[in-house]
Amino acid sequence: GQNIDQPTEMTATEGAIVQINCTYQTSGFNGLFWYQQHAGEAPTFLSYNVLDGLEEKGRFSSFLSRSKGYSYLLLKELQMKDSASYLCAAMDSNYQLIWGAGTKLIIKP
Amino acid sequence: GAVVSQHPSRVICKSGTSVKIECRSLDFQATTMFWYRQFPKQSLMLMATSNEGSKATYEQGVEKDKFLINHASLTLSTLTVTSAHPEDSSFYICSARDLGTGGEVETQYFGPGTRLLVL
Repeated sequence: GQNIDQPTEMTATEGAIVQINCTYQTSGFNGLFWYQQHAGEAPTFLSYNVLDGLEEKGRFSSFLSRSKGYSYLLLKELQMKDSASYLCAAMDSNYQLIWGAGTKLIIKP
Repeated sequence: GAVVSQHPSRVICKSGTSVKIECRSLDFQATTMFWYRQFPKQSLMLMATSNEGSKATYEQGVEKDKFLINHASLTLSTLTVTSAHPEDSSFYICSARDLGTGGEVETQYFGPGTRLLVL
């Protein structure tokens, strides 16, 4: 079956760095997405990886290892506004997104 | 990124009435749109895939006669919740698939969501 695993909740300190991990099993693979979702709002697109390696975009970076079925989202210089849920989603061979349950990130001052 | 709008943003209705939610891609054409629902503190649940010019594909357990989907054009999909009941109260979110041009990757962009409350 298809499955996405990510931690339910993480806590970090303002100004620090946090890494949110995601492992996936899908029927075929057409890329890994990360979305940010603030409470009561719809998800917003953060990053997309289809090749192995690290993609950096400002304070956020995303890494993919296709052989390990593993990705992580790295957030640097954490700000209070980064408190949100972070959703990992893998695109399968039918170009459908398979969603993880999301990781709730709590930032403390 | 691409812009997807959704209307209304919030609706309260009486049990037994029908509610229509519109999803529009504003700056790109979307042959495929997706409808999700999300209960509090839970992840997104895909309800159906809406394809322009053809019938929607529903996920297992989703009643197609209750959740009517019409994808009439490349920029508009509608979801109608027929004979709504309190258990249909949820956050409904649409997304549109942007196939990308000029080497851009295919991405899904989400509408802002519609919060439905059925009394």
